[in-house]
Amino acid sequence: AQRVTQPEKLLSVFKGAPVELKCNYSYSGSPELFWYVQYSRQRLQLLLRHISRESIKGFTADLNKGETSFHLKKPFAQEEDSAMYYCALKGMTSYGKLTFGQGTILTVHP
Amino acid sequence: DGGITQSPKYLFRKEGQNVTLSCEQNLNHDAMYWYRQDPGQGLRLIYYSQIVNDFQKGDIAEGYSVSREKKESFPLTVTSAQKNPTAFYLCASSMGDRRTSTDTQYFGPGTRLTVL
Repeated sequence: AQRVTQPEKLLSVFKGAPVELKCNYSYSGSPELFWYVQYSRQRLQLLLRHISRESIKGFTADLNKGETSFHLKKPFAQEEDSAMYYCALKGMTSYGKLTFGQGTILTVHP
Repeated sequence: DGGITQSPKYLFRKEGQNVTLSCEQNLNHDAMYWYRQDPGQGLRLIYYSQIVNDFQKGDIAEGYSVSREKKESFPLTVTSAQKNPTAFYLCASSMGDRRTSTDTQYFGPGTRLTVL
């Protein structure tokens, strides 16, 4: 079975502070990990995927297989980063199926 | 926005009634998905379809049914057997190509269903 855990339902930081949204997963094989974001009044959309090793809007996430984690980080948070963030996993044999975490609401205060 | 649409935006249903949520996409995607979003529980997969005329149950399929008669359309019926149907329902689609790892899911705007 595959599972994704986001331990923080709510996370508040001040503008300019570093932010880290935690994601831990449980999967026996080699998963693909994703971060999706939902801004207020917008659709859920892909933020980044581990396989691309990219930085999107200043966010990065590194897959740590030893710790089974895929934490999302940004060195200097901005107010426009306030949103709901979901970590998601796709297993090797899961076709397109994604397993989502419970989500973390990030609020960046001015 | 565009590409994948859901209707209606808000839906009210009396207990004991079946109701159908619409999901249409013009992205020429093979795969389509239905999720349910509840506070504190994230998104949970209800049904998915890899190709026309084929679909599989997700993690919480009980009380729901789907059809995939056309590539563009994947309607979800919430039946009276669904014990707690009040929720926000999201439809998504993706290319569904096994050969690539870039199978991004694109989401619709959602339908909020309330059972009265």
